[in-house]
Amino acid sequence: SQKIEQNSEALNIQEGKTATLTCNYTNYSPAYLQWYRQDPGRGPVFLLLIRENEKEKRKERLKVTFDTTLKQSLFHITASQPADSATYLCASTGGFKTIFGAGTRLFVKA
Amino acid sequence: EAGVVQSPRYKIIEKKQPVAFWCNPISGHNTLYWYRQNLGQGPELLIRYENEEAVDDSQLPKDRFSAERLKGVDSTLKIQPAELGDSAVYLCASSFTFWDTGELFFGEGSRLTVL
Repeated sequence: SQKIEQNSEALNIQEGKTATLTCNYTNYSPAYLQWYRQDPGRGPVFLLLIRENEKEKRKERLKVTFDTTLKQSLFHITASQPADSATYLCASTGGFKTIFGAGTRLFVKA
Repeated sequence: EAGVVQSPRYKIIEKKQPVAFWCNPISGHNTLYWYRQNLGQGPELLIRYENEEAVDDSQLPKDRFSAERLKGVDSTLKIQPAELGDSAVYLCASSFTFWDTGELFFGEGSRLTVL
């Protein structure tokens, strides 16, 4: 069955550094991957989408990569700020299904 | 433009009681999703509607869960009877179509606690 995995451990980084989050998928080839941000008690909010024929996508301080050989997507936040602290969810779409990973909690310390 | 609206935000019930959640998607969005999110987990799809048709309900526990989307707009998700394991956040999301931009717009969720 389709499976998507994210680092279950929280990521703690210092303000100004680059945060890198990992998303791995197995048993299928998604048409695209998405990244969402979720704050406590709120619904997920869309950040970026990258298609299988794209290697990299950028939006302001955010960058997403898609490596179909490694079956992995990396999500980068450059010049991180305490306001970036949240849970980041990876989602993959393929075979008429969108499935979500469990998310990685990011803490940015001032 | 208003986002996806869900109600109630919080609901506490005793097991075996019924409960219903309501969702109003973004205007013009044909696709509507109900997800369940357990603590520390990602959202899991329960059902997806294309207009008023349920096109994917493979993960919906049909013995106790039911959903409807009348006239292809608002949707209601019902649980009867509720069990302790149903405690979770129920998220509604919408998109123009499933294969359009891929972006899902989520509501704030309905947090259910079953005692």
